[in-house]
Amino acid sequence: GNSVTQMEGPVTLSEEAFLTINCTYTATGYPSLFWYVQYPGEGLQLLLKATKADDKGSNKGFEATYRKETTSFHLEKGSVQVSDSAVYFCALIDLKTSYDKVIFGPGTSLSVIP
Amino acid sequence: EAQVTQNPRYLITVTGKKLTVTCSQNMNHEYMSWYRQDPGLGLRQIYYSMNVEVTDKGDVPEGYKVSRKEKRNFPLILESPSPNQTSLYFCASSGGGFNEQFFGPGTRLTVL
Repeated sequence: GNSVTQMEGPVTLSEEAFLTINCTYTATGYPSLFWYVQYPGEGLQLLLKATKADDKGSNKGFEATYRKETTSFHLEKGSVQVSDSAVYFCALIDLKTSYDKVIFGPGTSLSVIP
Repeated sequence: EAQVTQNPRYLITVTGKKLTVTCSQNMNHEYMSWYRQDPGLGLRQIYYSMNVEVTDKGDVPEGYKVSRKEKRNFPLILESPSPNQTSLYFCASSGGGFNEQFFGPGTRLTVL
């Protein structure tokens, strides 16, 4: 079945450090890939997405590239800020196997310290 | 403003006392779903609905009911809550397909 695996957290970084959160997936069809972010006390919100291989999603300084050959969608940011402290979820939708169902990874908690 | 609203935001109840968590969206979305979020387990889908009067089980439906009588509303019903249903619950909606999901702010439920 479809699944999403993320690096375990929590991740703690100093302000202005480089961030990578690894995400790999298993899917039967050709999924679209997403990163959602959950700030403290809030619901999830879409951070970025990519719908086909080699697409790069970007938003708020975050980037992720859809790598079909390695089945990965790693999240990166060149210089994190304290305000980036949140939980990050990698997710996929595979319309071939499950219309509209979003498969979420377990989430990675990020803390950025001044 | 496009949004998903949930009520209540916080609820403490006792075992066996029926409760309903409401969810409403103003984006005319066809697809709505309920998730629960637990430490170490991430998000798990409880139920989903692809349109009015069309609902189906997600990954953890036991102990829950839903209804979809109107497009905008998708209430979650716990007929006889138990302590293992203590969790953080999220409602979400989307336009379907590869469109993003919009999440409500969450309802923190404690069952004593």
